[in-house]
Amino acid sequence: AQSVTQLDSQVPVFEEAPVELRCNYSSSVSVYLFWYVQYPNQGLQLLLKYLSGSTLVKGINGFEAEFNKSQTSFHLRKPSVHISDTAEYFCAVSEDSWGKLQFGAGTQVVVTP
Amino acid sequence: DTAVSQTPKYLVTQMGNDKSIKCEQNLGHDTMYWYKQDSKKFLKIMFSYNNKELIINETVPNRFSPKSPDKAHLNLHINSLELGDSAVYFCASRYQGNNSPLHFGNGTRLTVT
Repeated sequence: AQSVTQLDSQVPVFEEAPVELRCNYSSSVSVYLFWYVQYPNQGLQLLLKYLSGSTLVKGINGFEAEFNKSQTSFHLRKPSVHISDTAEYFCAVSEDSWGKLQFGAGTQVVVTP
Repeated sequence: DTAVSQTPKYLVTQMGNDKSIKCEQNLGHDTMYWYKQDSKKFLKIMFSYNNKELIINETVPNRFSPKSPDKAHLNLHINSLELGDSAVYFCASRYQGNNSPLHFGNGTRLTVT
């Protein structure tokens, strides 16, 4: 069975500072990895995904993530955040083609001036 | 606009009532999902339909019954509502296979009093 751990429940960060959100997963098979963002009172929006190939994945809004198979991690980074990046971020993993995603508990990013 | 749309956005009802949430997608996707997000923001899959066939049915009380009249619609009917059913319910859709990403609706906030 798969599981996803997001190590930080909340990450406060100043505007224009870098941010890293940590995600670790466990699975006995190959997985597909995703990061989603949820703005207040909205649905989830895909930031980026890793299916195969290059381990460094670039997404929307300047975010990127690196897949590390040996450490079973998929950490999300952004070199310089904006106030508008304040949101909840979810890491998710899927083992199959049916799209059954296992989500982490989420990390709330709060960007202050 | 192409999207996953859910109605209603907010639903307040009393214990014991029966209610439905509707979902429609005009993205041409063949697979649709219901996810439940609890008060701690934890997301858990409930059901999935592929071309009107039920393919994922997690451990959900049988008071919850999904219905898919066609591949663009997936409705959720809930009988005998309980306080613990209060949550945000998200509909999502995707193309099955190749791990194409989920597209989420904006959610239905259900409050049971």
